[in-house]
Amino acid sequence: AQSVSQHNHHVILSEAASLELGCNYSYGGTVNLFWYVQYPGQHLQLLLKYFSGDPLVKGIKGFEAEFIKSKFSFNLRKPSVQWSDTAEYFCAVSPSNTGKLIFGQGTTLQVKP
Amino acid sequence: GAGVSQSPSNKVTEKGKDVELRCDPISGHTALYWYRQSLGQGLEFLIYFQGNSAPDKSGLPSDRFSAERTGGSVSTLTIQRTQQEDSAVYLCASSLDRGIAFFGQGTRLTVV
Repeated sequence: AQSVSQHNHHVILSEAASLELGCNYSYGGTVNLFWYVQYPGQHLQLLLKYFSGDPLVKGIKGFEAEFIKSKFSFNLRKPSVQWSDTAEYFCAVSPSNTGKLIFGQGTTLQVKP
Repeated sequence: GAGVSQSPSNKVTEKGKDVELRCDPISGHTALYWYRQSLGQGLEFLIYFQGNSAPDKSGLPSDRFSAERTGGSVSTLTIQRTQQEDSAVYLCASSLDRGIAFFGQGTRLTVV
């Protein structure tokens, strides 16, 4: 069965610090990869996605993620976080042949002003 | 409406009762997902509907859980004989394209 593992459960950073959240998945076939974000009191929403092509993808609000196929990883990065980035971040994988969407456990990011 | 709508927003029920949670997806979206969100557990996949295909029920935790999607639109998640461990936020999402899912606000279920 497909699974997604996020390495960090709770991350605390100061503003302007750099961010990297780890994500690994287990699935042998072709996948689409996603990061979703849930800001306090809001719905889950898409942050960025990877379908094919350039393994470095850019999303909203300065976030980017890199797909490394050999490592089954899709880590999320941001060079300089802001207080408004405080949220819960979820990595997700979808096998290309099914469309099923499986999420990791989530990482809570707290940015201190 | 423009987004995914779930009802009720909150539900408190007594242990042993049955509950029904409703999801109205975005019009035209062919895929519909149900997840359960518990503290520290992330988003637990429950069930996935895609068009007219047989649903993927592999995430339903027990036979007390069932879901249907009528006419390719509205979906109902039913939990029979609720238990305290069923308390969680139940999220519905719909999608038209390859996992780009739009989520509802969720139903917070509390079993007392």
